[in-house]
Amino acid sequence: GQQLNQSPQSMFIQEGEDVSMNCTSSSIFNTWLWYKQEPGEGPVLLIALYKAGELTSNGRLTAQFGITRKDSFLNISASIPSDVGIYFCAGQVLGGDGNQFYFGTGTSLTVIP
Amino acid sequence: GAGVSQSPSNKVTEKGKDVELRCDPISGHTALYWYRQRLGQGLEFLIYFQGNSAPDKSGLPSDRFSAERTGESVSTLTIQRTQQEDSAVYLCASSLALATREAFFGQGTRLTVV
Repeated sequence: GQQLNQSPQSMFIQEGEDVSMNCTSSSIFNTWLWYKQEPGEGPVLLIALYKAGELTSNGRLTAQFGITRKDSFLNISASIPSDVGIYFCAGQVLGGDGNQFYFGTGTSLTVIP
Repeated sequence: GAGVSQSPSNKVTEKGKDVELRCDPISGHTALYWYRQRLGQGLEFLIYFQGNSAPDKSGLPSDRFSAERTGESVSTLTIQRTQQEDSAVYLCASSLALATREAFFGQGTRLTVV
C-alpha cells in the first residue's frame, strides 16, 4: 500500500508557540485528512481537504493540500496545553485502490505550560 | 447513533482463545473500516466494507482474522486462536464514502492477549 511519511515524529514546545507538521506520500491522493488522538480515545477528525492547493482553517488550525497532491501540512498557532496529543495525517485514493484511508505514523505533540 | 460505537472497550483474553469485536457505525454511513493500532504506532489498515460490494480484505494480517458486516450496519471483527502479537487497539471508522470522504472513528477496543 501507499507509504505516508509524517514528520516530525515528536515535538516538545512551549505554550504559545506555533507548530508545523507535514506528511508526504509517494502516491497522489484525492483527499487529505488530519486527526488528533488523545490517550485512550479514537482519532478525532480536525480538518478535511479535497482539492490540490486548498487551504482550510479550523480555529487555530490550518491545513493545506499540496499542489502536487502528494503532501499536506498542518499548522497550529499559539499552542495551548490541551493541544497535547498525537496528530495523524491520512490520505485517500478514490476508486482503484479500494477507497481505504492510509495513515501517517503520527506526530506526538507535548506542550509545556 | 450519534457516533461510531465499539464494544467491548477493553478485552483481556488468553492466548489461543477466539475474540469478537463489534462496531456500530454512524447511521447511514455506507463505508466501514477496521484498523489496528499497536502501542505507540500508527494505524494499520485491516479491512474495508462499502455497501454491498465485496470487502477489501487486503490488510488482514493472517487467516486468523476475519470480519463481517450485516448490510450497512453492524460489523464484527473476529480473531481466532489469538496470539500475544494481536494485542493492540482495534479501531473502527465509518464514512459516507464518496459523498463526504470523511471517516469518523470509534473509541476503539483495547485487546490484551495474555
